[in-house]
Amino acid sequence: GAVVSQHPSRVICKSGTSVKIECRSLDFQATTMFWYRQFPKKSLMLMATSNEGSKATYEQGVEKDKFLINHASLTLSTLTVTSAHPEDSSFYICSAIPLAGTYEQYFGPGTRLTVT
Amino acid sequence: GIQVEQSPPDLILQEGANSTLRCNFSDSVNNLQWFHQNPWGQLINLFYIPSGTKQNGRLSATTVATERYSLLYISSSQTTDSGVYFCAVGTGGGADGLTFGKGTHLIIQP
Repeated sequence: GAVVSQHPSRVICKSGTSVKIECRSLDFQATTMFWYRQFPKKSLMLMATSNEGSKATYEQGVEKDKFLINHASLTLSTLTVTSAHPEDSSFYICSAIPLAGTYEQYFGPGTRLTVT
Repeated sequence: GIQVEQSPPDLILQEGANSTLRCNFSDSVNNLQWFHQNPWGQLINLFYIPSGTKQNGRLSATTVATERYSLLYISSSQTTDSGVYFCAVGTGGGADGLTFGKGTHLIIQP
C-alpha cells in the first residue's frame, strides 16, 4: 500500500518550453502533497506544499510563476515548469500524506528533467 | 528553520558488519522519517519514528525527542544495503514538508 507514481520518469526539453510532471497517489487519497527537488549528490529541498482545492504554498526562494502547481483531486498533483532553462535541470520528487493515519510521507520515484 | 545534521557523511563497511547512523536536529519535531535512496533515486521508507524505538528485520531505529537525535541501526550488513540514507524531519502542525539532512553514503563491500 501507499504507492505514489510520477510521470514522466525522464524528460528532455528545449530551453524556453514548459514541462508538466504528474504525481499520483495510486491506492490512497491525499489532501496534501509536496514537491521537492534534488541536485546531483545533494539532499532534497522542499519546493512547495500542494493542497487539494487551494493554492500551493511555496518555500522561500521558489518562484511560483515558474513552478506552477495544481492539486485538482485527492489523488493528483501536477508541477509545471514554465519557460524552462538549463538551471532548472534537476530531479523532481513528489510525496503525499494519506488522509487517514499518521503524517508519514510516501514518495514517488522522481522525474529527471534535462533542459537543453 | 530547523537544522538536520547526519553523521557520518560516508561509511564503508565489510559485509556482515553492523553500523549506526545518527541524525541530530535543532528543534522539536512532530515527524521524523528515515529513508534509503536507491541507485535509481527512489526514496524507500524505512521508519516513521518521531519518538520511541522500532525494529524491522535487520534494521532498527530510536528517536530520543527530548535530546533531539535519532539513530538508525543496520545489523549484519549486506551489499544491497549500500546507498544513501536520509533522515528527514517535520515541524509545525503535522502535515508539513520535510527538512532533509545531507545523508549518509553507505558502501558495503563484499
